[in-house]
Amino acid sequence: QQQVKQSPQSLIVQKGGISIINCAYENTAFDYFPWYQQFPGKGPALLIAIRPDVSEKKEGRFTISFNKSAKQFSLHIMDSQPGDSATYFCAASLGGSQGNLIFGKGTKLSVKP
Amino acid sequence: NAGVTQTPKFQVLKTGQSMTLQCAQDMNHEYMSWYRQDPGMGLRLIHYSVGAGITDQGEVPNGYNVSRSTTEDFPLRLLSAAPSQTSVYFCASRLPMTDTQYFGPGTRLTVL
Repeated sequence: QQQVKQSPQSLIVQKGGISIINCAYENTAFDYFPWYQQFPGKGPALLIAIRPDVSEKKEGRFTISFNKSAKQFSLHIMDSQPGDSATYFCAASLGGSQGNLIFGKGTKLSVKP
Repeated sequence: NAGVTQTPKFQVLKTGQSMTLQCAQDMNHEYMSWYRQDPGMGLRLIHYSVGAGITDQGEVPNGYNVSRSTTEDFPLRLLSAAPSQTSVYFCASRLPMTDTQYFGPGTRLTVL
């Protein structure tokens, strides 16, 4: 069964700290791994994404680390800010024209001032 | 561009009633999809479409119908609403052969 397992379910971090959210997948055919950010009452929005041919991708304070052999990937938020407080979803897909996203169950991040 | 729009924003139904959730996009995206979001469950795919006239089932299709007569619109129909369909529904779209999906603002549905 194609699953994406995400942890932790919730996370509290102090302002300026590092937030780390982890995901694991089962299907080795997945070739696209995005992270989505969702604020209350809004739809999810793409934050950052990676393909399995690279081990790390960084965009500003957000970094994806990818471990193909372990079938795991993680989101690191450096210098976490209260404005980062949101729910984060990892996902995976086969890519291409029929690449439906399979989502993790989400992590609710709270950054305390 | 308005992006992906959804109506209504909120809806309350009684068990057995029918309704249609509307989704439209103005980005000329061929791929559109519907997800439901439940607490602690993430987003689960209901139905998707790779173009006008083509639809297929996702992970949780039971109780929902879709059709795609135009590139812009992808309505989701509940024929006989059940309390288990209480959820937040999101429509999404993307260009073919690209991976970035754009989500609408959602419809919060309550079935009593």
